[in-house]
Amino acid sequence: SYVLTQPPSVAVAPGQTARITCGGHNIGIDGVHWYQLKPGQAPVLVVYDDTDRPSGIPERFSGFNSGSTATLTISRVEAGDEADYHCQVWDTNNDHVVFGGGTKLTVL
Amino acid sequence: QVQLQESGPGLVKPSETLSLTCSVSGGSISSYYWNWIRQSPGKGLEWIGYIYYSGTTKYSPSLNSRVTISVDMSNNQLSLRLTSVTAADTAMYYCTSVVLGGDFFGIWGQGTMVTVSS
Repeated sequence: SYVLTQPPSVAVAPGQTARITCGGHNIGIDGVHWYQLKPGQAPVLVVYDDTDRPSGIPERFSGFNSGSTATLTISRVEAGDEADYHCQVWDTNNDHVVFGGGTKLTVL
Repeated sequence: QVQLQESGPGLVKPSETLSLTCSVSGGSISSYYWNWIRQSPGKGLEWIGYIYYSGTTKYSPSLNSRVTISVDMSNNQLSLRLTSVTAADTAMYYCTSVVLGGDFFGIWGQGTMVTVSS
């Protein structure tokens, strides 16, 4: 079955760039989507279809997907970006949804 | 703008059936695929399954034998039923939507926490 692998944690200082990876076999041919989860809040879609941002999401959030790795990049990190980030693909072969295990972003 | 609100009992006993409802407002229930997703404490998101208003469903293989998702068009609600629950089913349960033709979850409910305990 499809498996997406994320690092458990990433830590960056404010103002720096955070890069969160999502690895999967040939993930580059799938559309990858990213969600931000904060305690007590509904999850928020921050990037969809590899690179697109929903309205209201700052340009500081960007995505890239190629080969076996998709990457969510958060530029000029702010304290408010501290959250768990999860990647997701729709496994069209099996019509199933797959999530990565999530990455906790800590702003130092 | 579509809004989703989950509801249901916060505590379920082991071996019993978990039943949740998601109320849909601000949009047509026929315009989306409706999904349930959960997150157990300390773990990642887990997809449970989806339903289309026509009744077409698809479930996670790991839960397929215990889960039923249904839709009530007249009340703009969808439901989740999970049988024979154990402590492993303790989680925050979310109702979400996927736009037809899309494959990502654009709108989420706030979620409802369910604890399985005697």
